[in-house]
Amino acid sequence: GAVVSQHPSWVICKSGTSVKIECRSLDFQATTMFWYRQFPKQSLMLMATSNEGSKATYEQGVEKDKFLINHASLTLSTLTVTSAHPEDSSFYICSARVAGGPETQYFGPGTRLLVL
Amino acid sequence: AQSVTQLGSHVSVSEGALVLLRCNYSSSVPPYLFWYVQYPNQGLQLLLKYTTGATLVKGINGFEAEFKKSETSFHLTKPSAHMSDAAEYFCAVSSLNTGGFKTIFGAGTRLFVKA
Repeated sequence: GAVVSQHPSWVICKSGTSVKIECRSLDFQATTMFWYRQFPKQSLMLMATSNEGSKATYEQGVEKDKFLINHASLTLSTLTVTSAHPEDSSFYICSARVAGGPETQYFGPGTRLLVL
Repeated sequence: AQSVTQLGSHVSVSEGALVLLRCNYSSSVPPYLFWYVQYPNQGLQLLLKYTTGATLVKGINGFEAEFKKSETSFHLTKPSAHMSDAAEYFCAVSSLNTGGFKTIFGAGTRLFVKA
């Protein structure tokens, strides 16, 4: 149980285009999902917290207009990187917290984004 | 505010040897503590967690960790390393803040296992 999927697993795009990454909780409902960014050989940095049916809460320094987050249902959150640039290339990981279980997050497999 | 410090960005052990990965935390409220493992190009997998109760926590793959409040530590151990244990390990602390639960990750420790 508690499986989280991400799609796509990797994507290459041209500079200036937008990329959408999906995060799904497959066998549980997730009222809260998190989006992280991980640079090579570094830890995860929380970008934003996504709550179903409300606006996402962004961490300091994260541009909300560039990283659009939508949490339309209890099993799906999307991250759209708008007008991507090479510096946006990174490994993006989502996680989901089980409804009613505040402390444990289940992580997706990650999405590798390369912007040319 | 909360923080996590993992001592040693790299740890190398021989197969069959004891694994010890160190983690110290700071938190102004009672924390929840986690260890996650990450294999290359994959997400994080939960190894074990401490919330309340018994301070010695057993996880998957033979790992365990002990919560020591007096030392603000949550070190991860495994009696006998296996080649498949080679991966990146992250310690994390989560506590309730005004904006809800927030999890902070340590910088990670890469474990190498020598044959």
